Amino acid sequence: NAGVTQTPKFQVLKTGQSMTLQCAQDMNHEYMSWYRQDPGMGLRLIHYSVGAGITDQGEVPNGYNVSRSTTEDFPLRLLSAAPSQTSVYFCASGIGTDTQYFGPGTRLTVL
Amino acid sequence: QQPVQSPQAVILREGEDAVINCSSSKALYSVHWYRQKHGEAPVFLMILLKGGEQKGHEKISASFNEKKQQSSLYLTASQLSYSGTYFCGTDRSGSARQLTFGSGTQLTVLP
Repeated sequence: NAGVTQTPKFQVLKTGQSMTLQCAQDMNHEYMSWYRQDPGMGLRLIHYSVGAGITDQGEVPNGYNVSRSTTEDFPLRLLSAAPSQTSVYFCASGIGTDTQYFGPGTRLTVL
Repeated sequence: QQPVQSPQAVILREGEDAVINCSSSKALYSVHWYRQKHGEAPVFLMILLKGGEQKGHEKISASFNEKKQQSSLYLTASQLSYSGTYFCGTDRSGSARQLTFGSGTQLTVLP
């Protein structure tokens, strides 16, 4: 099993550009989530999904969209990138929030 | 509201013990502990559920005081591999859908 995979590993955007961070898991987990991690801030939940077709907002959802068309994939879309969205983004999957498995992360810089 | 972790950082020698605390001002259903090494993804260590059930790492122990809304992670006979940042995540709703993470405790184990 590959576990949780994320692409790209690094990305540089200009303010106002849009992009999609990809996340996929092969563990047949119903629960998937997106976090951002900023220095000294720990992990903050952006959006989560409890199954295909079901998504909900987390703690910091503004500026981000998600969709879940399959159990395996949970992409995160930045609609119009801002410097405040410079961060490391982690995708995770699990059985509910129990024992979440995190992907390797995407390091995003917005200029 | 973010749980509060203490201490923010701790340095110890191999073989020494350490305790990391996590407290919340709100009632908790569960507390989750993760460890993150520099540049890597967080890795699940343990979950403590309301009512006393625990699931997780065999060599790391933890406690959950439901009355005080506090959890402590006990690292005994520390090994070099224990170095990293430890995060607690709390579930206040019991839905197992949203975790709120603390800002982390940086643990350094020296030889």
